[in-house]
Amino acid sequence: GIQVEQSPPDLILQEGANSTLRCNFSDSVNNLQWFHQNPWGQLINLFYIPSGTKQNGRLSATTVATERYSLLYISSSQTTDSGVYFCAVPPTDSWGKLQFGAGTQVVVTP
Amino acid sequence: SQTIHQWPATLVQPVGSPLSLECTVEGTSNPNLYWYRQAAGRGLQLLFYSVGIGQISSEVPQNLSASRPQDRQFILSSKKLLLSDSGFYLCAWSVGGVKETQYFGPGTRLLVL
Repeated sequence: GIQVEQSPPDLILQEGANSTLRCNFSDSVNNLQWFHQNPWGQLINLFYIPSGTKQNGRLSATTVATERYSLLYISSSQTTDSGVYFCAVPPTDSWGKLQFGAGTQVVVTP
Repeated sequence: SQTIHQWPATLVQPVGSPLSLECTVEGTSNPNLYWYRQAAGRGLQLLFYSVGIGQISSEVPQNLSASRPQDRQFILSSKKLLLSDSGFYLCAWSVGGVKETQYFGPGTRLLVL
C-alpha cells in the first residue's frame, strides 16, 4: 500500500518562529489533507490540497503531486499552534479511505 | 452546518467487558462514516468504514465490530475487551468519494484495565 512519511517527527519552536513540515508519499494521489490535532485530541482540518498552494492565515500548504510531496508552512508561530500535524492520502486501491502519516509533534514555547 | 458527535468522551472498562461507542452526524445525508483508532498519540489506523446503512467494511481483523443502524449513526462494539483495545477512537464522516474531505469527531478515550 501507499507509504506516507512525515518529517521531522518532533519540532520545538519559540513563539514567533517560522517552520516547514514535510509529507512524502510513495504513489500518485488525487487527494491530500493536512490536519492539526490539538492537545485535547480534536483533529482539525487545515487543508485539502491535492496540488498547488493554499493559504489560510498564518498557515500555508504546497503540494507537488508529480514529485510526491507536500509542505506545510507555519509562520509567526503561536502557542496555540502546538499539537500534532498529520498529512493523509487515500491509498490507490481505496475508496474514501485515508492513509495517515505518523505526524509531526510541534511544541511552541512562549 | 454539519456536526459530528461521539460519546462517551472517556471510558474506563475492565478486561472482558463489552463495549459500545456511538457516533452521530447531523446536517448531512448519506455520509460515508469511518472509525479510526489512535494509539499513543500518533498514527491513526482505519478500523471500519461504511458507505450506507448496514454496509460495513473492516480494514483490520480484530476484537471489534461496527454497525450502522441508521443513516447518520455509526456504532463501534466489542463483546469482550482486551487490554490492547485501549486507545483514542475517532469517528469521521465525508460525502462523495475519494476526493472528499473527512471531518472528525471529538473522539472517545478508552482505557481497558
